[in-house]
Amino acid sequence: DAGITQSPRHKVTETGTPVTLRCHQTENHRYMYWYRQDPGHGLRLIHYSYGVKDTDKGEVSDGYSVSRSKTEDFLLTLESATSSQTSVYFCATQTSAGTGGVEQYFGPGTRLTVT
Amino acid sequence: GQNIDQPTEMTATEGAIVQINCTYQTSGFNGLFWYQQHAGEAPTFLSYNVLDGLEEKGRFSSFLSRSKGYSYLLLKELQMKDSASYLCAGEGTDSNYQLIWGAGTKLIIKP
Repeated sequence: DAGITQSPRHKVTETGTPVTLRCHQTENHRYMYWYRQDPGHGLRLIHYSYGVKDTDKGEVSDGYSVSRSKTEDFLLTLESATSSQTSVYFCATQTSAGTGGVEQYFGPGTRLTVT
Repeated sequence: GQNIDQPTEMTATEGAIVQINCTYQTSGFNGLFWYQQHAGEAPTFLSYNVLDGLEEKGRFSSFLSRSKGYSYLLLKELQMKDSASYLCAGEGTDSNYQLIWGAGTKLIIKP
């Protein structure tokens, strides 16, 4: 399995506070993704990165920003947390995306509650 | 937009066979993935189909019909540990092959 860790694993925060979630990988995978998973919805892409300092928006990027200053780290920031951002957040990595059929490896997830 | 549809929940008996279906729009997807996700854990890769037909991998098989926008995951000789959610994901045709995920099918195995 790809070595992917996420921190923190659980967090409770108050509405309006900034929150940063960290994803760390040891596999030197080029692509990294942040998803959120909510009941009744599939995994929804927030942001992704295709290299150091190269990031792009996914389908639910409003209220989130990301940074990738090193290959191994991909940070997700909730600029001002809202209750609608209560979710489980998964980081995923992928060796490449230039061809199809490349599997994604997922971190263990971060359960975020915004009160 | 592109939609991936799967049943919300299914129940099956230990030792039996179960088929989990996934339907999608016929245009806009390259291939199709299946992932398994146990409760409280991360999704893990099961299979990928890009050509029509059946791909077999041990107790698990996955089928794709591109013209019908239809896929299924077939699980044989069900074991209690197969209780999990099964996620279908369509692979987009853009340059990054981004995935569009179904909401997942929760499979409950009964003794």
